[in-house]
Amino acid sequence: NAGVMQNPRHLVRRRGQEARLRCSPMKGHSHVYWYRQLPEEGLKFMVYLQKENIIDESGMPKERFSAEFPKEGPSILRIQQVVRGDSAAYFCASSPGQGFYEQYFGPGTRLTVT
Amino acid sequence: QKEVEQDPGPLSVPEGAIVSLNCTYSNSAFQYFMWYRQYSRKGPELLMYTYSSGNKEDGRFTAQVDKSSKYISLFIRDSQPSDSATYLCAVSSGNTPLVFGKGTRLSVIA
Repeated sequence: NAGVMQNPRHLVRRRGQEARLRCSPMKGHSHVYWYRQLPEEGLKFMVYLQKENIIDESGMPKERFSAEFPKEGPSILRIQQVVRGDSAAYFCASSPGQGFYEQYFGPGTRLTVT
Repeated sequence: QKEVEQDPGPLSVPEGAIVSLNCTYSNSAFQYFMWYRQYSRKGPELLMYTYSSGNKEDGRFTAQVDKSSKYISLFIRDSQPSDSATYLCAVSSGNTPLVFGKGTRLSVIA
């Protein structure tokens, strides 16, 4: 059973460009979560999605960030007009059911903004 | 007061030692308590989660929750060099997002 998959693993963007991060949940999981980890900081929740629905986006910055989980295909975290402060590791997690416990994480995408 | 406090370490122990990792939390509404292990530049790996108070054991790992003190612990018996990693605690009420501690960096020296 493949785990959570994320790609790309590393992404370099210049300031002002767009970054698209993709996440495929574990087989049988329909709940996806996105987190950001800054250097020397803990993991911070960003958004929780089910297929075609955003359930909780309380941790998402109000501007430039958006997320989707379409009926077909991976979940996408999109960052428009990236700034240096967006440089971080972005992790996706999935769970087998509702509830914020029992989440399984992917390997992460490391975004560097130059 | 931060929702979850965790000593960042680093914590260095000899191989075979018993390791105790701890977190405190502030919100009594938290009911689920998780421990994750994160190797350098990898994703967090769920070690175990517990609901409410009590102990849970899985191999060399034991998780303890003391809700009266708002204190959670992870014990690692017979520690191995392969246990060297950052350990993250996380808490949730079940229907609210996970809140993570900043992690404790552990080194097990052979």
